[in-house]
Amino acid sequence: EPEVTQTPSHQVTQMGQEVILRCVPISNHLYFYWYRQILGQKVEFLVSFYNNEISEKSEIFDDQFSVERPDGSNFTLKIRSTKLEDSAMYFCAWAWREDEKLFFGSGTQLSVL
Amino acid sequence: GIQVEQSPPDLILQEGANSTLRCNFSDSVNNLQWFHQNPWGQLINLFYIPSGTKQNGRLSATTVATERYSLLYISSSQTTDSGVYFCAGNYNQGGKLIFGQGTELSVKP
Repeated sequence: EPEVTQTPSHQVTQMGQEVILRCVPISNHLYFYWYRQILGQKVEFLVSFYNNEISEKSEIFDDQFSVERPDGSNFTLKIRSTKLEDSAMYFCAWAWREDEKLFFGSGTQLSVL
Repeated sequence: GIQVEQSPPDLILQEGANSTLRCNFSDSVNNLQWFHQNPWGQLINLFYIPSGTKQNGRLSATTVATERYSLLYISSSQTTDSGVYFCAGNYNQGGKLIFGQGTELSVKP
């Protein structure tokens, strides 16, 4: 399976600041997802993205969040004004087809102070 | 809402022992998957198993979709098997997965 690189691996930010988390997949022909995991808790779905548009989003994914592929390669998750409760590990994930085996990137640990 | 329950929540094994992890779901799932989260936080897909049985080395998994459960078997456990095991599935069209709370496995040498 193609590797998916996430950057940065760790991000520390002040409450209210904007952060951009990046994922570098390999192919354009994939379904992409963002998930998050608050420390010690289960993995939660945030959003799915295919063909340059959001296909599904969770109730967590409010107006503070956005996703895009700005240059056709990077897949980004932006949090406009971070809150303390946004502290979590954020994973991008991908699948060859919808409803198929899901693969996760290495994750970005976000700490909001 | 849809519930995915895993048991046991914690498990401590001696190296070489076998174990069975269970995942129950409250409604029919479309693509049940098992993941291993290693101590560094990385999530590795172990099985895509909407139904039936699959084996991969010392690991095997069985999903009985009609009875809404899946089992993960670990045989001859090794210290590198330590970590958290998650099952996850989706309940409608689309790739969104709902995860269980996980089983934290610790294998002692």
